[in-house]
Amino acid sequence: AQSVSQHNHHVILSEAASLELGCNYSYGGTVNLFWYVQYPGQHLQLLLKYFSGDPLVKGIKGFEAEFIKSKFSFNLRKPSVQWSDTAEYFCAVNALANAGKSTFGDGTTLTVKP
Amino acid sequence: NAGVMQNPRHLVRRRGQEARLRCSPMKGHSHVYWYRQLPEEGLKFMVYLQKENIIDESGMPKERFSAEFPKEGPSILRIQQVVRGDSAAYFCASSPPPRGGTYNEQFFGPGTRLTVL
Repeated sequence: AQSVSQHNHHVILSEAASLELGCNYSYGGTVNLFWYVQYPGQHLQLLLKYFSGDPLVKGIKGFEAEFIKSKFSFNLRKPSVQWSDTAEYFCAVNALANAGKSTFGDGTTLTVKP
Repeated sequence: NAGVMQNPRHLVRRRGQEARLRCSPMKGHSHVYWYRQLPEEGLKFMVYLQKENIIDESGMPKERFSAEFPKEGPSILRIQQVVRGDSAAYFCASSPPPRGGTYNEQFFGPGTRLTVL
């Protein structure tokens, strides 16, 4: 069975600080990896995704994530956060062997102080 | 192209009543997923459907919950005899069919917030 673990439940940063949110998954086969964001009062939106190729993927709003296969990790990064990045962030994994069923982590709430 | 639509956005039910949650996928998407988000928790997979077929219902509670995605019309998540523990946000997502062995990202609706009194 696939599972996803997000290490930080709540992160508080000041504007311009750098961000790294951890995500580890557990699955032995080929996976697709995603980061979604949920801004207050809004629905989930895709930030970025990894299917294959370059393990460093760039998403919207200056976010990027690096897939490290040996560590089963897909950490999300942003060099300089803004107040508008305050949101909840979810890491997700799906695999063809599981018919595309996505497994989500429990989420990390990011609060950026102005 | 309209996104995934869910209605109602908020639903209040008393214990023992039935709740019906509707989801219209994006145009061209034939795959629908339902997730439940309890307070302070992440999204938990419930069921995966294609038109007229349930593909994976491993996340559905064994009793009182059912889902369908008919040939015509929206997907329905039905909860019979609701209890307080059913209070949660229920999200629907849709995706196009897989291509080349890859399941693409899922597009989420705004969710239905169910409150059971």
